Amino acid sequence: EVRLVESGGGLVQPGGSLRLSCEASGFTFDTYEVNWVRQAAGKGLEWVSHISDSGRSTYYRDSVQGRFTIARDNAKNSLYLQMTSLRVEDTAVYYCARGRLTFGGVIYFDYWGQGTLVTVSS
Amino acid sequence: DIQMTQSPSSLSASVGDRVTISCRASQSIDRYLNWYQQKPGTAPKLLIYAASTLQRGVPSRFSGSGSGTDFTLTISSLQPEDFATYYCQQTYGDRTFGQGTKVEVK
Repeated sequence: EVRLVESGGGLVQPGGSLRLSCEASGFTFDTYEVNWVRQAAGKGLEWVSHISDSGRSTYYRDSVQGRFTIARDNAKNSLYLQMTSLRVEDTAVYYCARGRLTFGGVIYFDYWGQGTLVTVSS
Repeated sequence: DIQMTQSPSSLSASVGDRVTISCRASQSIDRYLNWYQQKPGTAPKLLIYAASTLQRGVPSRFSGSGSGTDFTLTISSLQPEDFATYYCQQTYGDRTFGQGTKVEVK
């Protein structure tokens, strides 16, 4: 059974830092890209970042570029999101999601974790 | 950046209704379009990928169509468990989501 379990959320002051983790199981972790997606309360889904299967390529949405760092440890089947210089607008539930690739090159998110809540507030 | 616009933002429907949700991309994305369903307090669930391929285990009343810039999600006969919010997502560039369409009870 494929499982993704996030952890590390919590309350942090503006300007602070937090590290999220996502532990994967039930599949060959190092053959999939993985993503972070967030959702503020009552709002829509917002893609945050993704990392290639090897970890060599990383991508970020503009609003977190330079503040967030995505990383993975394939030996530990784990994904991370280091968040620094946090802002009130970063408050959201953060999900990790597995990206699967079709033969035609389309990426889709077939498995999601349950999410971890990050609250940025003074 | 590619922008995704869904319409309507919300709709009211009854069990048994045919429901159609539209998604438009700001530029051509070929068929790099996915659809998700989300219920309150839960993670999104994949329904359709590559514009029209039904994810395993998803009921056949869900279907997707379109290519280029215009896409549609259709629920042929709405069931009680289908009241939820639906999101389109493009993965041609980065991984942008539409703003969501909430399907509510009429």
